Amino acid sequence: DTAVSQTPKYLVTQMGNDKSIKCEQNLGHDTMYWYKQDSKKFLKIMFSYNNKELIINETVPNRFSPKSPDKAHLNLHINSLELGDSAVYFCASSQTGYNSPLHFGNGTRLTVT
Amino acid sequence: KQEVTQIPAALSVPEGENLVLNCSFTDSAIYNLQWFRQDPGKGLTSLLLIQSSQREQTSGRLNASLDKSSGRSTLYIAASQPGDSATYLCAVPSGSARQLTFGSGTQLTVLP
Repeated sequence: DTAVSQTPKYLVTQMGNDKSIKCEQNLGHDTMYWYKQDSKKFLKIMFSYNNKELIINETVPNRFSPKSPDKAHLNLHINSLELGDSAVYFCASSQTGYNSPLHFGNGTRLTVT
Repeated sequence: KQEVTQIPAALSVPEGENLVLNCSFTDSAIYNLQWFRQDPGKGLTSLLLIQSSQREQTSGRLNASLDKSSGRSTLYIAASQPGDSATYLCAVPSGSARQLTFGSGTQLTVLP
């Protein structure tokens, strides 16, 4: 199936740990994104990558770092996890261009205890 | 800074009704507006994308309109079905890197 897939679906970890979330798309898109959805369901952009270059970076803590080994993958690494990092993280992809719709993965629910 | 608002936050209707979801945005200099659907525990599914030069887009029972000058969009759902129950979000690209700014969504429940 053509899709945006991210793993794991659920991630429960303790404060202070380091964790990664993986994302892959086989849609041939050249731009990938990470969004965070908080407990109030607000979706906010975190990062996007275009042709292996970071093109936007919202004011997220530098404990969060995106890693893109190729244009089909954009992984999210989080160091020294904090309680406030608990949220659902969504990966998405699109073609370059303002009128290209975004395709989202099913999300990773991160719970920090 | 672009702000997107969706009203109502929740809506419950009996099956078969036609309904309208509203979305407003503060900065009318947009390239497009997208409507998404989110099912519980799932990601977002793109429903319709209206380009700034368009007034409306249709897909099946869904019709989205865009009025840039007034900063408003509506999503019309005809003959609603229980399977339409989901959260509907609108979003507009903003900033030089076209990051999407989302509304907080309208949670729709269609009662059988």
